[in-house]
Amino acid sequence: EPEVTQTPSHQVTQMGQEVILRCVPISNHLYFYWYRQILGQKVEFLVSFYNNEISEKSEIFDDQFSVERPDGSNFTLKIRSTKLEDSAMYFCASSVGAAGTGGKLFFGSGTQLSVL
Amino acid sequence: GEDVEQSLFLSVREGDSSVINCTYTDSSSTYLYWYKQEPGAGLQLLTYIFSNMDMKQDQRLTVLLNKKDKHLSLRIADTQTGDSAIYFCAERGYGGSQGNLIFGKGTKLSVKP
Repeated sequence: EPEVTQTPSHQVTQMGQEVILRCVPISNHLYFYWYRQILGQKVEFLVSFYNNEISEKSEIFDDQFSVERPDGSNFTLKIRSTKLEDSAMYFCASSVGAAGTGGKLFFGSGTQLSVL
Repeated sequence: GEDVEQSLFLSVREGDSSVINCTYTDSSSTYLYWYKQEPGAGLQLLTYIFSNMDMKQDQRLTVLLNKKDKHLSLRIADTQTGDSAIYFCAERGYGGSQGNLIFGKGTKLSVKP
């Protein structure tokens, strides 16, 4: 069964460093997303991406964050200068159709980011 | 703002039915979802229901939707130890956002043999 894959599964970084989280969405999917879950808190939406541009972003997704689809298969989340509060599990997701019209999101297993 | 609430823990015996409850605030929600998260894994879509439905059954899973009370439940019949996981309720309203699912905190289901 096709699945969303994320690498690495764990990432440890120093505060102020840049990190790139990588995702390979399901191949025929058109919509891509990043969510995160801080330990003990809810899964939160960060950004959605369609047709090579951001379609929506949350208040969390500030100028320190960026997303890119550098080729036909990868979808990346970059955090330019990490802060302690960026420590979380980051989930990538993809869907064939837009979630707002019933498109079902398929999630990867996440990247645990620890900022020291 | 939109919010989704779930109880945090549920413990049942193997073979019993489990009922996981969820309340939401956005009355315009068109789709409501149940996701399952096993340890070390991602969020697996279990089932979903469209807001014009009251009930949806899928093998051992039954979803009940009470739109008036904004209450969603997931019933797992004949619960097995392999059902032990965290179950997330999520909602999505109509229009506007393409992917902004609002999740609850998740209910941790423990199944005792």
